[in-house]
Amino acid sequence: QVQLQESGPGLVKPSETLSLTCTVSGGSISDYYWSWIRQPPGTRLEWIGYSYYSGSTNYNPSLKSRVSISVDTSKSQFSLRLSSVNAADTAVYYCARRCSACLHDAFDIWGQGTMVTVSS
Amino acid sequence: QSVLTQPPSVSAAPGQKVTISCSGSSSNIGNNYVSWYQQLPGTAPKLLIYDNNERPSGIPDRFSGSKSGTSATLGITGLQTGDEADYYCGTWDSSLNILVFGGGTKLTVL
Repeated sequence: QVQLQESGPGLVKPSETLSLTCTVSGGSISDYYWSWIRQPPGTRLEWIGYSYYSGSTNYNPSLKSRVSISVDTSKSQFSLRLSSVNAADTAVYYCARRCSACLHDAFDIWGQGTMVTVSS
Repeated sequence: QSVLTQPPSVSAAPGQKVTISCSGSSSNIGNNYVSWYQQLPGTAPKLLIYDNNERPSGIPDRFSGSKSGTSATLGITGLQTGDEADYYCGTWDSSLNILVFGGGTKLTVL
């Protein structure tokens, strides 16, 4: 059974870069799209973007200038980098797998989520 | 303000049926497929419905999805106290070029 686990700092200073890693276990990282989704406290889900295992990416235009998602197939990991963070980037960050059986975007496997706070 | 509009809350008694609506536009629900997620308190979202009305393996048939025009609906029958959660709809928005989620609906099973 495929499982995802996020890891990374829980506290990031304003203007610095947020870096998170998601480790895929119990299945292959190949042939899937891998995504990051965040949820600010008490609010709705926000899609950040996704990367195909081969490297092609698609990002939320509102974050595009600051975000990068990459996949390391040798480590079965994919990563998120979000630069120039501010308080509005405080959220629970989830990694997720795009559902392969789905005709269109849906996410069938999620990590447990990791809280990231932006504060000095 | 969300591109997709959901009622903030719904409630019903155990054993009853409830529906949760998700209203959008032609750039999202009207021309794309809808998915639904259940988020129990303190946990990650769980996929309930994809492609408007398909259930992943393991999701009971008490959960159903439908779409008509620019609105989608999640139905839950035989309500259980364990169904108390936040429910989110999601779809692609072709104008904004992003995947969008509704604001979420909190289900209370009285």
